[in-house]
Amino acid sequence: DTGVSQDPRHKITKRGQNVTFRCDPISEHNRLYWYRQTLGQGPEFLTYFQNEAQLEKSRLLSDRFSAERPKGSFSTLEIQRTEQGDSAMYLCATNWVGVTNSYEQYFGPGTRLTVT
Amino acid sequence: QKEVEQNSGPLSVPEGAIASLNCTYSDRGSQSFFWYRQYSGKSPELIMSIYSNGDKEDGRFTAQLNKASQYVSLLIRDSQPSDSATYLCAVRHDAGGTSYGKLTFGQGTILTVHP
Repeated sequence: DTGVSQDPRHKITKRGQNVTFRCDPISEHNRLYWYRQTLGQGPEFLTYFQNEAQLEKSRLLSDRFSAERPKGSFSTLEIQRTEQGDSAMYLCATNWVGVTNSYEQYFGPGTRLTVT
Repeated sequence: QKEVEQNSGPLSVPEGAIASLNCTYSDRGSQSFFWYRQYSGKSPELIMSIYSNGDKEDGRFTAQLNKASQYVSLLIRDSQPSDSATYLCAVRHDAGGTSYGKLTFGQGTILTVHP
């Protein structure tokens, strides 16, 4: 257990519905990354927050996707008008600046999304 | 050419053998490299990080890095059935400019250790 939690762990939704996922990092983790992983592939970067600022977004993050980290603690990832191609594992990873090995990212358990 | 490539699997080794997993990367400026283990249905778990050329050992795991050849490997000694998983190689895009340390992963190599 890395101390990073994600909710829900599983989500089944119908095409066209909106979904929201939450990530709770360890309190002192100021860097937060979202990744998406499809079957048989490695995780792909979606977006990055440093504290509450969203500093980088992947081209994978279409305008149907939005992410927030309002107080620099937990983060949410919302997908609007879901499509079957959105079915994947959504992973949150965090680390923190100021200690040794600050480049290591620790993943939460992930949210598995199935769009029917 | 993919940014991070791993040797195609699956890889099957007998219990007690050495498993060798390989990874090449295209960004010559990368400085930080990681190996993650992922069990089926679970999230990636960090097992090794390496930043300097040479070998880094941690228990039964040894990571090897050769920046000139843009090559990273992971050796698992005395392989156990519990080591059966997908192993992911990840390269960090070092912070600076428009990059903030995101990881680029290979597609993973499935390892099976049979009794």
